[in-house]
Amino acid sequence: GAVVSQHPSWVICKSGTSVKIECRSLDFQATTMFWYRQFPKQSLMLMATSNEGSKATYEQGVEKDKFLINHASLTLSTLTVTSAHPEDSSFYICSARDPREGNTEAFFGQGTRLTVV
Amino acid sequence: GQQLNQSPQSMFIQEGEDVSMNCTSSSIFNTWLWYKQDPGEGPVLLIALYKAGELTSNGRLTAQFGITRKDSFLNISASIPSDVGIYFCPQDMRFGAGTRLTVKP
Repeated sequence: GAVVSQHPSWVICKSGTSVKIECRSLDFQATTMFWYRQFPKQSLMLMATSNEGSKATYEQGVEKDKFLINHASLTLSTLTVTSAHPEDSSFYICSARDPREGNTEAFFGQGTRLTVV
Repeated sequence: GQQLNQSPQSMFIQEGEDVSMNCTSSSIFNTWLWYKQDPGEGPVLLIALYKAGELTSNGRLTAQFGITRKDSFLNISASIPSDVGIYFCPQDMRFGAGTRLTVKP
């Protein structure tokens, strides 16, 4: 299957600082990528859809000024958690659909565990 | 929006037992994708189904695309400890609650 890679795998930051998470499609080009947040014992919640060359589409209740998304190339999307607070601590996962599979099969990164202290 | 139900929410089984879980919805879909998430990892694609009635296997896993196109089933035969994880069947990139599987050695 296709490969989606996230970086970093984990990060600890101080409250009030910003953190950037990268999501790369390694062996295919993705015009669209998806960002999720997962709290312990819960499912993945879609935060936003990242569109290459245009603005991201955010799900209801997700603050676009808090979670900045940039999709500047066909293989890279970034999520920046601005002015992070302890309640932003979570597992963040990105995904992309492989156009070689008809854009139906989605592949996920390994996730980034963010801890805000 | 579409509502995705996964059943059961959790399962505790003995190693060697067979497992069955399902996804149901009030909406009709053209594909069903089954994923497994290991602790601390992203979901991994297990089986993809594209046609109503389709039955597909991947090793000890077998999945079926319901004839009504509103549901899908995943069966795991002869479970082993590494089957532990959460199983999902997302639609339109949105996830249900998942089925959490625990296998006792």
